[in-house]
Amino acid sequence: QKEVEQDPGPLSVPEGAIVSLNCTYSNSAFQYFMWYRQYSRKGPELLMYTYSSGNKEDGRFTAQVDKSSKYISLFIRDSQPSDSATYLCAMSEYNFNKFYFGSGTKLNVKP
Amino acid sequence: DAGVIQSPRHEVTEMGQEVTLRCKPISGHNSLFWYRQTMMRGLELLIYFNNNVPIDDSGMPEDRFSAKMPNASFSTLKIQPSEPRDSAVYFCASSSDTEAFFGQGTRLTVV
Repeated sequence: QKEVEQDPGPLSVPEGAIVSLNCTYSNSAFQYFMWYRQYSRKGPELLMYTYSSGNKEDGRFTAQVDKSSKYISLFIRDSQPSDSATYLCAMSEYNFNKFYFGSGTKLNVKP
Repeated sequence: DAGVIQSPRHEVTEMGQEVTLRCKPISGHNSLFWYRQTMMRGLELLIYFNNNVPIDDSGMPEDRFSAKMPNASFSTLKIQPSEPRDSAVYFCASSSDTEAFFGQGTRLTVV
């Protein structure tokens, strides 16, 4: 079993839709949770970072962490064609010395 | 800061040749990571350094791969001899204590 599982998609939605992206993990020691966005032929860029359980909101993006279920989510409200990219979840243990990435979900937002 | 800088951006080489990828991390960051990304396997951690010292190289595929970090502002990943299955995008990332910031990657093609 991989440390982090993520549905590869692709996920196709109309502009303005609410998008839900998810990851599950097996290591209960993970404390730091991140979402990265990667455009084609570019490096991943950090979108959201959360510590432990709870929610974090930044504009149209909301990250949720449920440590009891070992499940994290990223919600995108009012999705835009510019949100079309691959979204990778990543997580790390307490001392943040090694990141474990999901395989990425490819999102396509249609105008 | 210009972010994590990788060179070259693209590399095409013949099987059996030595390939050296270079990375300049963000100034002040004390951790550096080398990742490889392919369609089949996603983003894989090869090795990471903390304060210029290799901490975990368990992801390095085999002895043909080696990485060095002679000082806080420079790291190399070397493949010798290269093989077609090494074709991938290689990313360098650096981190201070929480988030990791990625370079634009080196697209390596071994023919």
